[in-house]
Amino acid sequence: DIQMTQSPSTLSASVGDRVTITCRASQSISSWVAWYQQKPGKAPKLLIYKASSLESGVPSRFSGSGSGTEFTLTISSLQPDDFATYYCQQYNSYLYSFGQGTKLEIK
Amino acid sequence: QVTLKESGPALVKPTETLTLTCTFSGFSLSTSGVRVSWIRQPPGKALEWLARIDWDDDKFYSTSLKTRLTISKDTSKNQVVLTMTNMDPVDTATYYCARIGKLGTDFDYWGQGTLVTVSS
Repeated sequence: DIQMTQSPSTLSASVGDRVTITCRASQSISSWVAWYQQKPGKAPKLLIYKASSLESGVPSRFSGSGSGTEFTLTISSLQPDDFATYYCQQYNSYLYSFGQGTKLEIK
Repeated sequence: QVTLKESGPALVKPTETLTLTCTFSGFSLSTSGVRVSWIRQPPGKALEWLARIDWDDDKFYSTSLKTRLTISKDTSKNQVVLTMTNMDPVDTATYYCARIGKLGTDFDYWGQGTLVTVSS
């Protein structure tokens, strides 16, 4: 099975900062990566699919890139509502797996 | 408007079988290309994908849990059911159902989740 290694596990940043979260896949998965935002006590919310496609209704400050084994989620200018936990997720051969999560905290 | 909602017992005993139901609206599992999955999240931990069922009744399971899982659908009731046998305290988690996006590679709509605790 494909493992997703997400880093960092915790990230401290300030409103207005540009932040990047990285996921590495244990083998090539083309562009089949999605990114989610999760707030405490809530279900995850899809932000990015197919590595770089922005889900409808998601602010344009969120962007994704990468292919093969390395993928990134970037938030261009942090807003107060963005402090949450972020997960990457891969798809390959009818199986799915998630990264361990990155908790984005206020500095 | 797409909605999903999980239901089932909040507490099960070790060795028991868990049965969870996902009731959805805004789409139909009889429509070509529609797929629904179950995903869980232990308290304070990461998400773990469990199973998927497709409009044509194809089924796929987590490699590590496939001997314990069964997924099924009732198209007339707009429901997907997950059973997990031989429950253990490590299976304590919030269980989510989610619709899979059009590409089949991500989860675009999620239920609110239901917390299942395994304890004697």
